[in-house]
Amino acid sequence: EDKVVQSPLSLVVHEGDTVTLNCSYEVTNFRSLLWYKQEKKAPTFLFMLTSSGIEKKSGRLSSILDKKELSSILNITATQTGDSAIYLCAATNSNSGYALNFGKGTSLLVTP
Amino acid sequence: GAGVSQTPSNKVTEKGKYVELRCDPISGHTALYWYRQSLGQGPEFLIYFQGTGAADDSGLPNDRFFAVRPEGSVSTLKIQRTERGDSAVYLCASSPTGDNEKLFFGSGTQLSVL
Repeated sequence: EDKVVQSPLSLVVHEGDTVTLNCSYEVTNFRSLLWYKQEKKAPTFLFMLTSSGIEKKSGRLSSILDKKELSSILNITATQTGDSAIYLCAATNSNSGYALNFGKGTSLLVTP
Repeated sequence: GAGVSQTPSNKVTEKGKYVELRCDPISGHTALYWYRQSLGQGPEFLIYFQGTGAADDSGLPNDRFFAVRPEGSVSTLKIQRTERGDSAVYLCASSPTGDNEKLFFGSGTQLSVL
């Protein structure tokens, strides 16, 4: 059975800190790994990764996939209180690429 | 519309009752998905529509759950004989095509079964 595990489950940091969130996966016929940010209820798309070693960046956020280690990290530099949210990692497989298999998420709280 | 719209935002019902949850996807998106998110968990896939047909309903937990999308736009998730364990946030998402993993989620319906 496909599995996605995120760590840590929760994290509290001070504004300005840098954080690294981890995601590991066990997926048959792996296709892609995605990161979403969930504030309140609606998850919003951050990154989709399919190739190993290629960093994707968006402002202070970046992410990279390691297919050898079956893992991905999401980095947030110079954190702000607005970064407080649940960060969800999801993997897809080639057999049902549309069905995202989510981890439990990492709850990040950034304090002033 | 501008985004995926779900109604109602909150629904409280009694055990054994029937409920309908509605999803209005982004205009022109052919693919529509339902997910369920329990407290402290990630969203769990329920069903995927491509156009009017359910392309994959393997995530529906049992036959009390059913979903339709008769005109290829709005979808309704129907739950019969609700149980307390059905309490969760039901999220709907859409994407331009079924091959696109970048989903646009609605704000969900919080279902509470008392």
